[in-house]
This record gives sequence, C-alpha cells and structure tokens, in this order.
Amino acid sequence: DGGITQSPKYLFRKEGQNVTLSCEQNLNHDAMYWYRQDPGQGLRLIYYSQIVNDFQKGDIAEGYSVSREKKESFPLTVTSAQKNPTAFYLCASSSLAGHRDTQYFGPGTRLTVL
Amino acid sequence: QKEVEQNSGPLSVPEGAIASLNCTYSDRVSQSFFWYRQYSGKSPELIMSIYSNGDKEDGRFTAQLNKASQYVSLLIRDSQPSDSATYLCAVGGAGNMLTFGGGTRLMVKP
Repeated sequence: DGGITQSPKYLFRKEGQNVTLSCEQNLNHDAMYWYRQDPGQGLRLIYYSQIVNDFQKGDIAEGYSVSREKKESFPLTVTSAQKNPTAFYLCASSSLAGHRDTQYFGPGTRLTVL
Repeated sequence: QKEVEQNSGPLSVPEGAIASLNCTYSDRVSQSFFWYRQYSGKSPELIMSIYSNGDKEDGRFTAQLNKASQYVSLLIRDSQPSDSATYLCAVGGAGNMLTFGGGTRLMVKP
C-alpha cells in the first residue's frame, strides 16, 4: 500500500531532551512537509523540502531541525530549544507534477513534554 | 501575512440536513483551494480540491469557489453523524505552500 507513515504514534519528552520524529513515504512524492497543530488550532508549517538534501524553514522553525538524505524520508528533530513542544505533529507530502500543491498527510505523532 | 479565516463553530445540523461551511482568504492571487476533514485525534484527510470559479460536486460534497469575493465554501448534503468532524480549509500560494484556516467543527445530530 502506498502512503505516509509516522512513528512513534505517541512520544514523551523530558525537559532538555532532543527527540526525533520519523516520517516515511512510498508515494514517490518530491516534496515533504512538517506541520504542528495545537488543540483547536489549524496547521502551522515548521519545515518543508522539495528535493533531497535541501529544505526550507516554515513559519515556526525555531527549536526544530530536519534532514532530507533520502527522497522517502524527512525526519524532524525537536530540540531542547523548543520551549513549548507539546503538540500534534503532522507530516505531509506532495508530488511536484500535475496539481503540485495537493498534500497528503501521515497519521501524526502526539508529543507530550513531561 | 496570508490569512485563511473560518468560523470555529461548532456548527450543529440535524441528520439529513445540508451543512454549509465557509472560508475566506486574503491572498488575491491564490489559485488552489482544498477542504480537509479531520476527526478528533486523527490526521487531516483530503475530501475536495477546487481550482476554478463555480461549483465542483463529488458525491454528497460540493465545493464552491468565488475568487472575486475571495470566498470558498463546502456544502455537505444529507449530513450524517459520521460527518461530525473538524473541516479545514487550505489555500495554495507560491512555492506549493498551503495556508490553513483554523477549522470549523461540525456536529451532525441524529
């Protein structure tokens, strides 16, 4: 089955820890995105990548880092510099052919700071 | 700053009625518009996309776009309790980026 997978589903972080959220897609999509969603809010863009080994900051990149070493994978690290990381994190991908901006989402990772 | 505005709701409709969800956007040059459905605790699921002025129908769903008024809407006919969810409006801009509204919570009462 083609799709986007995210792991883990739930993640707990202690103060001062870095944690990495995984996102993998087998849709052969060129572009991948990370969003953050807070309760009752819309989605805010953290980082995006349209090609391997290149990525751009979104609206709320501070305290986060990413890498794009493979087309299929776009992991997100939440660093200790992110002061309020408790949120629902969503990974998305899109093809850069045809309707280029149609984004499809993975199931999400819920991060809680202890 | 590009903005996409939605009434947060909740919008409550009886089963079988038409639910009407609305969205306005600020960027006049936007060319693509999407509706996503998000059940509580789940990720958004694409239900409609629309690119041209007018109506686009898909089953019980109709998306309506009016670029002159910077307004996009989603109609759900014969609403079912399973339609109860938050509906996110997203607007496409430069560089394949989407700007999302805050979502409208829809409640369909049996």
